[in-house]
Amino acid sequence: RKEVEQDPGPFNVPEGATVAFNCTYSNSASQSFFWYRQDCRKEPKLLMSVYSSGNEDGRFTAQLNRASQYISLLIRDSKLSDSATYLCAVNRYGGSQGNLIFGKGTKLSVKP
Amino acid sequence: ETGVTQSPTHLIKTRGQQVTLRCSSQSGHNTVSWYQQALGQGPQFIFQYYREEENGRGNFPPRFSGLQFPNYSSELNVNALELDDSALYLCASSFRGSNSPLHFGNGTRLTVT
Repeated sequence: RKEVEQDPGPFNVPEGATVAFNCTYSNSASQSFFWYRQDCRKEPKLLMSVYSSGNEDGRFTAQLNRASQYISLLIRDSKLSDSATYLCAVNRYGGSQGNLIFGKGTKLSVKP
Repeated sequence: ETGVTQSPTHLIKTRGQQVTLRCSSQSGHNTVSWYQQALGQGPQFIFQYYREEENGRGNFPPRFSGLQFPNYSSELNVNALELDDSALYLCASSFRGSNSPLHFGNGTRLTVT
């Protein structure tokens, strides 16, 4: 089993749609979880951290399920500008922020 | 606040050559991590440096080496380049001990021919 696995893409959705991405991780000792957004041929940029109680930032909602070892990202009211690859990242050991393990990413295309 | 900067932006090398990539950390950050991202893949952790010492390493051979300097800037060196080393190399800085996430530089795209 891979350390971090994401939904295979791509996701093609119309503007205004709600889309959800899931990501599973294998290391139960992981403590830090993140969603990054990566535009074509650019560096990943932090979208949001994922907290145990779940957290929301505008149209974006992230959730963590420790028992099942997965995190999710929900995007409501999709915009054309949301088109990108979404990467989930989990720290390998308990604590060190730098040792993040990334999934392969899920590509999202939002169409008019 | 100065972000993470990497140089060069693009590089073309021949198999067997050596390459050095450079990174300046974001001000206030004391930890630097290097990642390799092949086309269609997520970033793969190469290693991390803290206080000028390697502090964690991914599944990369010894021909991948690095340095961190007192001003927290860093270098990634790759010897005996192979075709499969062609990728986007990303540097990320963070502040160890806090809950700050990684901040990536814009990357160096290396092509090995």
